[in-house]
Amino acid sequence: QVQLVESGGGLVKPGGSLRLSCAASGFTFSDYYMSWIRQAPGKGLEWVSYISSSSSYTNYADSVKGRFTISRDNAKNSLYLQMNSLRAEDTAVYYCARDSMLSSETFDYWGQGTLVTVSS
Amino acid sequence: SSELTQDPAVSVALGQTVRITCQGDSLRSYYASWYQQKPGQAPVLVIYGKNNRPSGIPDRFSGSSSGNTASLTITGAQAEDEADYYCNSRDSSGNHKGVFGGGTKLTVL
Repeated sequence: QVQLVESGGGLVKPGGSLRLSCAASGFTFSDYYMSWIRQAPGKGLEWVSYISSSSSYTNYADSVKGRFTISRDNAKNSLYLQMNSLRAEDTAVYYCARDSMLSSETFDYWGQGTLVTVSS
Repeated sequence: SSELTQDPAVSVALGQTVRITCQGDSLRSYYASWYQQKPGQAPVLVIYGKNNRPSGIPDRFSGSSSGNTASLTITGAQAEDEADYYCNSRDSSGNHKGVFGGGTKLTVL
C-alpha cells in the first residue's frame, strides 16, 4: 500500500534552516509528481511546492519562493524540502503528498505530516 | 487569501443531504478536488475530476460543477462525515500551482 512518511520537523529560531524528508513506498516513486502542502495551527491547507517526476520542473507558492527548495532522489524514493530564512508564519504541519496521474493538482495520498515550529 | 472561496461552516441533520460549495475563477477551466480532514488526521481525497471517487470512498459523496462553482454533495450524511472539507484546483493563472479553499467545517446534527 502507498505510504508517505515525513520527518525532520522541529523547533527552529527565526532565520534558521530545516530540511524535511519524505520517504515513499508502495508505488513507483519515479513515476509521480510530488508536492509539499502545509497547515498552520488551526488554519486551512496551503500548497507549498511541487516537483516533477524527473525533477525537471518545480514551482513554489509566492510565500516561500526564494527561501524553500524542493528536491527528490528517485533512487532513494525520497522527497525533500530545504527551508531557509524561516519565519514565524512558516510554523505549520508539513505534509508530503503524491500528485494524482488522473487529475491535475489532485493529491491522492498524504503522509501524516511533520510539525515545524519557528520561534525564538 | 485563497483564490477559492468556501463557506466556513455548514450543518446537516443526520441522514439528510448537504451541499458544500467552492467558488473561484479557475473552476471555469479546471475541476476541483475535494478532501476530508478529521481532527488530528491528514486530509483524505474524496472526489476528483468531473465526479470520481477514490477506492473506499462511500458513494454518498458526489461532485459537480457549474461555471465558477464546484460542489461536494453528501447524500444521507452520517455522523462520521463530520469533518473539515477542502476544495482545491489549479490557480487561476493556469500555472502548475495548487490552490486550496479556506475549508468548510461540516457539523452533523
